[in-house]
Amino acid sequence: EPEVTQTPSHQVTQMGQEVILRCVPISNHLYFYWYRQILGQKVEFLVSFYNNEISEKSEIFDDQFSVERPDGSNFTLKIRSTKLEDSAMYFCASLEGTARAYTFGSGTRLTVV
Amino acid sequence: QKEVEQDPGPLSVPEGAIVSLNCTYSNSAFQYFMWYRQYSRKGPELLMYTYSSGNKEDGRFTAQVDKSSKYISLFIRDSQPSDSATYLCAMFSGSARQLTFGSGTQLTVLP
Repeated sequence: EPEVTQTPSHQVTQMGQEVILRCVPISNHLYFYWYRQILGQKVEFLVSFYNNEISEKSEIFDDQFSVERPDGSNFTLKIRSTKLEDSAMYFCASLEGTARAYTFGSGTRLTVV
Repeated sequence: QKEVEQDPGPLSVPEGAIVSLNCTYSNSAFQYFMWYRQYSRKGPELLMYTYSSGNKEDGRFTAQVDKSSKYISLFIRDSQPSDSATYLCAMFSGSARQLTFGSGTQLTVLP
């Protein structure tokens, strides 16, 4: 069964450093997403990406965040200057054009120290 | 009022029991409803996806949607210890594809 692949599985970074979280969505999917889950809290939407541009973003997704699809397979989330409160699980998801059921990756656990 | 409310549990049942998990929502624009299972520190795994009001069955799982009451349920029959996980309801409207999640219900099925 096709999978969404995320790397790394765990990233530890110092406050103020830049991090890039990487995702390989399912190859024929058209919509790409980042969600995050702070420990013990709800899964929250960050951003959606379609046709090489951001289609929706939440209030969480401020100027410190950016997304990119640098080639035909990778989808990245960059946090420019990490804060302690950015510590969370970050999930990538993708969606086929006509379907409504998302496929999530296993997540990257980001720890900011 | 939160957009999606879900009883966080924890819920503990003996093996073989029928489990009922529920969510209520306030946004009448929601049209697509999903149940995900999440193991600790893993990504959500899709269990059931429904669009219209009514029931949908898949093996031991039944998803129920009542749009008039803004209430969705997931029933697990003959529960197994391997069903122990956190169950998340999620939904979105047709125009905005971003998912809104419930807080999750932690289920433990005791052998």
